[in-house]
Amino acid sequence: AQSVTQLDSQVPVFEEAPVELRCNYSSSVSVYLFWYVQYPNQGLQLLLKYLSGSTLVKGINGFEAEFNKSQTSFHLRKPSVHISDTAEYFCAVSEGSASKIIFGSGTRLSIRP
Amino acid sequence: NAGVMQNPRHLVRRRGQEARLRCSPMKGHSHVYWYRQLPEEGLKFMVYLQKENIIDESGMPKERFSAEFPKEGPSILRIQQVVRGDSAAYFCASSPPLQGNTEAFFGQGTRLTVV
Repeated sequence: AQSVTQLDSQVPVFEEAPVELRCNYSSSVSVYLFWYVQYPNQGLQLLLKYLSGSTLVKGINGFEAEFNKSQTSFHLRKPSVHISDTAEYFCAVSEGSASKIIFGSGTRLSIRP
Repeated sequence: NAGVMQNPRHLVRRRGQEARLRCSPMKGHSHVYWYRQLPEEGLKFMVYLQKENIIDESGMPKERFSAEFPKEGPSILRIQQVVRGDSAAYFCASSPPLQGNTEAFFGQGTRLTVV
């Protein structure tokens, strides 16, 4: 069965600094990988997804992630964060069609001015 | 094209009552997922449905919880005889047919409070 581990529950960074949110997954088959963002009292919004092809995926709001099959990782990065990036970020994995999407426990990104 | 609509946004129930949470998927979507989010925790998968079929209910508690996605109308998550521990945010997501779960669109959630 697939699972997702987000190693950091909270990540504080200064505004305009780079950030990396870590995500590792486990699965016995090929996977689809996702990053979602959740603002307070809101639903989840898709940031980016990896289905196949290029391992570097670019998403909205300047975020990108790199799929590393050998390390079973899908870390999220942004070169320069903004106050508006303050939110909870969830990594998720699916084993393909007709398979559930499993979420990690989330990483709270807090931006300091 | 309206997004995934969940109602009510907030629901208060007394212990022992029934809670019915509704989810209208995006137009043209035939896959629905339900998740539960406890305070300060991530999303826990509950159930995955297609029209008139339950595909995966491995995350559903064995008792008191049920879900359906009829041919017509919204998907319903029903919790019978609610207890304090059922207090949580319940999120629904939908995805289109043929693409399976290559992208799931989320609703705003229903926040259930059991008093």
